[in-house]
Amino acid sequence: AQKVTQAQTEISVVEKEDVTLDCVYETRDTTYYLFWYKQPPSGELVFLIRRNSFDEQNEISGRYSWNFQKSTSSFNFTITASQVVDSAVYFCALTTINTGGFKTIFGAGTRLFVKA
Amino acid sequence: DTGVSQDPRHKITKRGQNVTFRCDPISEHNRLYWYRQTLGQGPEFLTYFQNEAQLEKSRLLSDRFSAERPKGSFSTLEIQRTEQGDSAMYLCASSPGTSGSKDYEQYFGPGTRLTVT
Repeated sequence: AQKVTQAQTEISVVEKEDVTLDCVYETRDTTYYLFWYKQPPSGELVFLIRRNSFDEQNEISGRYSWNFQKSTSSFNFTITASQVVDSAVYFCALTTINTGGFKTIFGAGTRLFVKA
Repeated sequence: DTGVSQDPRHKITKRGQNVTFRCDPISEHNRLYWYRQTLGQGPEFLTYFQNEAQLEKSRLLSDRFSAERPKGSFSTLEIQRTEQGDSAMYLCASSPGTSGSKDYEQYFGPGTRLTVT
């Protein structure tokens, strides 16, 4: 069975602090993709990043960075020098692929508050 | 390049009525997905289409729910005999679905918020 766990329900930081959002996943499939999505107060989910199961190279994009570790089944997301506009709910998602097709599961989300 | 659009954005209906939602995906995307999201939860998968073929349906999709994508472009989701438990945000997403890793990058619309009174 597939599962995505975001243990942090809410995080509150002050502007310019760094913040890391945790994501732990479970799957027996060897081919899968991991995603982070942002859902701001306006409600529309915004795609941030995709990582393939066979590519553990971590990535930095501006103030965002991602740490994918298969050994611990984790795909954490860090925002450096947070800003008020980063306030949103962040979802980690897992898409698994096997002979039966594919399936996408979302975590319950982490609500990030960035205070000025 | 326009994104995914959904109509209506909000729908209030009385229990027992039928409702229909529309989704227009990104034009070159072959795959289209429907999700349901309730307060404080992540999106839950309902069904998806590859072009006009409906390839998978979640157990969440009861007999009262039906989805179509007749020409492989826009899709409709109909809920018959609505119940209060159907109140949720209904999200539509699309992805390329042609080949490669980007096939699974889903781009979401703004959602349709359904309230059943």
